[in-house]
Amino acid sequence: QVQLVESGGGVVQPGRSLRLSCAASGFTFSSYSMHWVRQAPGKGLEWVAVISNDGSNKYYADSVKGRFTISRDNSKNTLYLQMNSLRAEDTAVYFCARDGTVITVSWFDPWGQGTLVTASS
Amino acid sequence: DIQMTQSPSSLSASVGGRVTITCQASQDISNYLNWYQQKPGKAPKLLIYDASNLETGVPSRFSGSGSGTDFTFTISSLQPEDIATYYCQQYDNLPLTFGGGTKVEIK
Repeated sequence: QVQLVESGGGVVQPGRSLRLSCAASGFTFSSYSMHWVRQAPGKGLEWVAVISNDGSNKYYADSVKGRFTISRDNSKNTLYLQMNSLRAEDTAVYFCARDGTVITVSWFDPWGQGTLVTASS
Repeated sequence: DIQMTQSPSSLSASVGGRVTITCQASQDISNYLNWYQQKPGKAPKLLIYDASNLETGVPSRFSGSGSGTDFTFTISSLQPEDIATYYCQQYDNLPLTFGGGTKVEIK
């Protein structure tokens, strides 16, 4: 079955870096765009970034642009999120999600279980 | 950015009762609107895509309608397992944006 498993979360001091990973299985990873979506504690959902199926196109939310980098390794069926210059407001559960279609950006289905990132001194 | 205004932020209904949630976009998004269910401590789950299409395996008591700027999500007969927070999401333009969520509880 289609499965996404995030890892790499943890507690990090503000200003430091962290890299999240998302291991995909059960589908042809190289055919789909992939997303990161986050949710601050007790808050709603915020889209973070998307990368096209071949990695040639990347888009970011303004709140992370210039600090976060989305990437993928299709040979390893893995999605990444490099987070630099972390701020307290980046504290959230980070979900990876597959795009719903192979054509364009659409919906998120399925989602991983999420990994918690806490930026705190 | 397209703003998604979801209401109400919370509601309470009886088992078997009808639940209606609305989502308004700040500009015309055609039918590029999706609905998700999120239970506490879990990842969101896609219920409805393209405003009115039921995702495979989702019970038929869930439905969606609307186009342009105004959308509605309905649970026709609320069940105890439907207790969750529901979100709308647009994909007409980047950045993809969500509504603020509606927490559904049992009365």
